[in-house]
Amino acid sequence: QLQLQESGPGLVEPSETLSLTCTVSGGSIGSSNYYWGWSRQPLGKGLEWIGSIYFDGNTRYNPSLRSRVTISIDRPKNQFALKLTSVTAADTAVYYCAKYPHVDSWGQGTLVTVSS
Amino acid sequence: QAVVTQEPSLTVSPGGTVTLTCGSSTGAVTSGHYPYWFQQKPGQAPRTLLYDTSSKHSWTPARFSGSLLGGQAALTLSGAQPEDEADYYCLLSYSGTRVFGGGTKLTVL
Repeated sequence: QLQLQESGPGLVEPSETLSLTCTVSGGSIGSSNYYWGWSRQPLGKGLEWIGSIYFDGNTRYNPSLRSRVTISIDRPKNQFALKLTSVTAADTAVYYCAKYPHVDSWGQGTLVTVSS
Repeated sequence: QAVVTQEPSLTVSPGGTVTLTCGSSTGAVTSGHYPYWFQQKPGQAPRTLLYDTSSKHSWTPARFSGSLLGGQAALTLSGAQPEDEADYYCLLSYSGTRVFGGGTKLTVL
């Protein structure tokens, strides 16, 4: 079974760009059978879907975040990435990556705090 | 953007049956929304119980089942166990974008 692991800075300053990477092991990120997504969860609150990227690079984003979000895929590194620009304290959350369509694999999550 | 609604909290007795629901502000939930159900315990990542309304993963206990009920997606737990106490989230698809429900806190008491 594929395994996913998020990585990136745990602290980002306000107005800066949040950048996270999800590394996929145990299989190829380029398979047409899967696609990949990011979600987040502020501490003590519910889950929020951020977006997805398909094997061909097509993306879908949460309309409320679309102007600030980019999800990309790096096939040689077997990784996909999340960038969120102009962050504020409201973007402080645990960020999760996951494998779709059946969501049979989640990363363990990584806490990103937006603070100066 | 659509709003997905769930009961904020429910309580079930050990061994009892409870149904959690997932509704959409856009109208009836159908199989075309590809409903997912996730279980999350404190300090843990979510775990997927069901996808495509009622399909189970190998780790999904048999006591969990999914359906469409009265225009909503439903997760039924039959024979609740203490370890089923958790937060449960549904996720609906809207032409490729997705929206989580607010979650249901299930207490087994």
